[in-house]
Amino acid sequence: KAGVTQTPRYLIKTRGQQVTLSCSPISGHRSVSWYQQTPGQGLQFLFEYFSETQRNKGNFPGRFSGRQFSNSRSEMNVSTLELGDSALYLCASSLGASGLADTQYFGPGTRLTVL
Amino acid sequence: AQSVTQLDSQVPVFEEAPVELRCNYSSSVSVYLFWYVQYPNQGLQLLLKYLSGSTLVKGINGFEAEFNKSQTSFHLRKPSVHISDTAEYFCAVSVNNQGGKLIFGQGTELSVKP
Repeated sequence: KAGVTQTPRYLIKTRGQQVTLSCSPISGHRSVSWYQQTPGQGLQFLFEYFSETQRNKGNFPGRFSGRQFSNSRSEMNVSTLELGDSALYLCASSLGASGLADTQYFGPGTRLTVL
Repeated sequence: AQSVTQLDSQVPVFEEAPVELRCNYSSSVSVYLFWYVQYPNQGLQLLLKYLSGSTLVKGINGFEAEFNKSQTSFHLRKPSVHISDTAEYFCAVSVNNQGGKLIFGQGTELSVKP
């Protein structure tokens, strides 16, 4: 089975712009979670989608949003970019049905740099 | 609220020596525990997980971890490390009723020297 794929792998944007990141989960997985990784804050949970519905949300401002499509692919959007949004954004997928004991499989990440 | 503390930010060790990476968690409810490894410029790879049952869990690449409920710990061990084990290791918990949300520790950078 193909793993979790994320596109693009690298992005450079300027302050005030918006950006959309994409994640394709492992075939058959219905849950997609997003995480932000920075040197200062570490790995922080953004949100989780299951069957096109947001199931969990972390403590991020409303500039961070996401969605999931019927084929389980997910996108996350960051509007009005700030310098502090520079980070590695990781996507993880899981079967999702049990909601808890599923193993999360991570993609390689999208490295976002905001200038 | 749940939290995870990895007690060492960096662990240098010589090749073929044993290593222990420490992880403590705080939670008022039952949790599930995971260790992930991250190689440079890559995503996270699952090493092992504790869901229930035997408290000694074996994972990939010769790693194992022991769940200790009384000490709220989940330390990761390997009896003999290789240069290729050099990476960052993350301990994480997930909590019942919170779906796919993982709470991560700050990470431990393992550096294996020849």
